[in-house]
Amino acid sequence: GESVGLHLPTLSVQEGDNSIINCAYSNSASDYFIWYKQESGKGPQFIIDIRSNMDKRQGQRVTVLLNKTVKHLSLQIAATQPGDSAVYFCAEKAAGGSNYKLTFGKGTLLTVNP
Amino acid sequence: ETGVTQTPRHLVMGMTNKKSLKCEQHLGHNAMYWYKQSAKKPLELMFVYNFKEQTENNSVPSRFSPECPNSSHLFLHLHTLQPEDSALYLCASSQDRGAWDPSGNTIYFGEGSWLTVV
Repeated sequence: GESVGLHLPTLSVQEGDNSIINCAYSNSASDYFIWYKQESGKGPQFIIDIRSNMDKRQGQRVTVLLNKTVKHLSLQIAATQPGDSAVYFCAEKAAGGSNYKLTFGKGTLLTVNP
Repeated sequence: ETGVTQTPRHLVMGMTNKKSLKCEQHLGHNAMYWYKQSAKKPLELMFVYNFKEQTENNSVPSRFSPECPNSSHLFLHLHTLQPEDSALYLCASSQDRGAWDPSGNTIYFGEGSWLTVV
């Protein structure tokens, strides 16, 4: 079946380094993708989204890259800070599907070492 | 503050109890959702309400009963739950512009209600 997954369940980086979190998706018909951050004891927080007609989108210290050829999504965090420590997961929406039908990945735990 | 408020944040209940989770969104959205988040599993969509009408019931057992009195409030009534129902229950909302709108649908989550069934 269709699925959204993550290559690495955990990622540990040094403060100040750049972080890259990856997500593979198998539904080539997906047209919208979102990255969420979930800190311990809190609900998921929207970080950035991207539509399938784009291959890159930048936010504040974050960049999302979409490679439709290999069905790969990544989240880059510049100058990672201790406050970035959290679980990050991606979500996808199938084209033509109901807007609320997002498929979520399991998440990657990012740990930032001071 | 996410704009989506859930109460209680923590709940412990016995298998014979009846309790309710409450959610209120202050974002002016027209759609509200209940999700279940269990350890080491992806988020699972449970229910969707659009303009107060239930549009999705994702094969959820009847011991979970949602209620949406208006577009700003959502409840999840719980009765005769099982220990395996212990999880984080997340409420969310969005502005659903319809499937014809390709701009996507950003879903905003509350902080969740941690439920433990004993």
